[in-house]
Amino acid sequence: DGGITQSPKYLFRKEGQNVTLSCEQNLNHDAMYWYRQDPGQGLRLIYYSQIVNDFQKGDIAEGYSVSREKKESFPLTVTSAQKNPTAFYLCASSHRIPYNEQFFGPGTRLTVL
Amino acid sequence: GQQLNQSPQSMFIQEGEDVSMNCTSSSIFNTWLWYKQDPGEGPVLLIALYKAGELTSNGRLTAQFGITRKDSFLNISASIPSDVGIYFCAGQGSSGTYKYIFGTGTRLKVLA
Repeated sequence: DGGITQSPKYLFRKEGQNVTLSCEQNLNHDAMYWYRQDPGQGLRLIYYSQIVNDFQKGDIAEGYSVSREKKESFPLTVTSAQKNPTAFYLCASSHRIPYNEQFFGPGTRLTVL
Repeated sequence: GQQLNQSPQSMFIQEGEDVSMNCTSSSIFNTWLWYKQDPGEGPVLLIALYKAGELTSNGRLTAQFGITRKDSFLNISASIPSDVGIYFCAGQGSSGTYKYIFGTGTRLKVLA
């Protein structure tokens, strides 16, 4: 089945540690995105990538890093510089513009202990 | 970052009733998307709109792209308990951008 997978579903980390969230898609989409969702709020864009080996900062990129070495994969690293990392993280992908409606993965809930 | 104004923030309705919600923006959009999100899950795309005035249906759901291109509406007819969840709108302002702006969500609760 085509879709977007994120792993793990739940992730715990200690303060001061970096952690990498996985996102894989087999939809042959060119663009991929990372969003952060906090309780009772909408989605805020962290990073996005239009094509392999290229990515742009979103609205809240500080404390996060990404790579796009393969079309299918767009991992997100939450670094120790991120002050409030506890949140629900969503990965999405889309075709090229203008018909680039985004499809989301199931999300990863990160909790910093 | 900029966010859309989505209303109402939450609503309780009786099973069988129709539901209406909307999103408004100060900017013109070229694309509107509507999503439903269940607790602890990723949003699921319901309807995509690409043209001002466009009216699109998906089962009991109908969405419209406002003529001014600054708003969009979602209607759910004959609501059922599984309609419970959070509904998000998302707008894309420029034909040359990949970025979407998301509304803050409408939390729907259906009373059986």
